[in-house]
Amino acid sequence: AQSVTQPDIHITVSEGASLELRCNYSYGATPYLFWYVQSPGQGLQLLLKYFSGDTLVQGIKGFEAEFKRSQSSFNLRKPSVHWSDAAEYFCTLYNFNKFYFGSGTKLNVKP
Amino acid sequence: DTEVTQTPKHLVMGMTNKKSLKCEQHMGHRAMYWYKQKAKKPPELMFVYSYEKLSINESVPSRFSPECPNSSLLNLHLHALQPEDSALYLCASSQVLPKGRTFKAEQCFGPGTRLTVT
Repeated sequence: AQSVTQPDIHITVSEGASLELRCNYSYGATPYLFWYVQSPGQGLQLLLKYFSGDTLVQGIKGFEAEFKRSQSSFNLRKPSVHWSDAAEYFCTLYNFNKFYFGSGTKLNVKP
Repeated sequence: DTEVTQTPKHLVMGMTNKKSLKCEQHMGHRAMYWYKQKAKKPPELMFVYSYEKLSINESVPSRFSPECPNSSLLNLHLHALQPEDSALYLCASSQVLPKGRTFKAEQCFGPGTRLTVT
């Protein structure tokens, strides 16, 4: 069965520091993977997606993610965090008309 | 137009009320979704419509009644709700791949309706 795990419930980083949010998935075939961001009380915004091909994908707002099949991971990274990046981040797997969301990682940014 | 709109933004209703949530998109997407999201939790899928027909119902209680009157509109009719139904209700849409059975994976989400049941 497919599933997504985000091991970190909360992460706090200083503004300007680098960021890595972890995501592990369970799926038998090549997955469709996404990272979404959600600001408080808002809908979800797509940051980036992986379907196939290049394992390093670039997204909006300076985010990137690397797909590692051997580790069943799809970690999200950003070299320099801005205060406006404080939000909830969801790693998501898509399979046949359904999304499987991780539990989310809440990012706090210290000034 | 590349967005999904939802009305109202906030809704407070009593347990005996009947209300509706509305969702609209003009991107030509033929799959539309309702999700429920409790605080500090990921969205949970409720319903999926494809070509205006109900495709997926995730065993949602009958006090929630979806409707898709046309390809741009999606409604969620609410009746006799419970306080535990208080949540953020998100609408999303996506394209449907050829042959009409598989939805394109990339979804566009609306901003949500914050529902409080008193």
